[in-house]
Amino acid sequence: GEDVEQSLFLSVREGDSSVINCTYTDSSSTYLYWYKQEPGAGLQLLTYIFSNMDMKQDQRLTVLLNKKDKHLSLRIADTQTGDSAIYFCAESYNTDKLIFGTGTRLQVFP
Amino acid sequence: DAGVIQSPRHEVTEMGQEVTLRCKPISGHNSLFWYRQTMMRGLELLIYFNNNVPIDDSGMPEDRFSAKMPNASFSTLKIQPSEPRDSAVYFCASDQSSGAYNEQFFGPGTRLTVL
Repeated sequence: GEDVEQSLFLSVREGDSSVINCTYTDSSSTYLYWYKQEPGAGLQLLTYIFSNMDMKQDQRLTVLLNKKDKHLSLRIADTQTGDSAIYFCAESYNTDKLIFGTGTRLQVFP
Repeated sequence: DAGVIQSPRHEVTEMGQEVTLRCKPISGHNSLFWYRQTMMRGLELLIYFNNNVPIDDSGMPEDRFSAKMPNASFSTLKIQPSEPRDSAVYFCASDQSSGAYNEQFFGPGTRLTVL
């Protein structure tokens, strides 16, 4: 069955890099995503990666995909207090439906 | 575009009452999703529609929950009768269903409290 797992919490110092990890079970996923949820708001797409790619970089964000291990990570360089939020990874397979992970709460302290 | 619009933003009701949550998707989007978020269970997909037709309602908890999409610009999620365990934030999201990657646009949510 489909299952996406993440660690629940991550705490980093401002200016350091954050790495949020995710494992998934559906090897036929076509796209994998990172969504961000700020307090009191809905989720917002941060970035996504097609399943035939290993890496995608977008400014401070780097997504790494290891298909063999079904592992996805999001690295945020120079983490700022404004990055404090819940980060969800998600997968899809040729449908509109997204399977979301449990979410990782990132706390950035000065 | 104003984004996905949900109403009300907050709802406090008593156990046994009927609750109706409303959603207006982004114009031109043909898929609409209802999610529920709680601390205990995280983010759960309740139901989703494509071109106003329910495609997957396997996440709807029980018969007390029902959802409709009478037209492309409006959907409702109804709980009757409501129970305290229904307390959660309910999100509506929409996307363009292009066949490529799926960017779902989420509304601000409705925070439901059932006393």
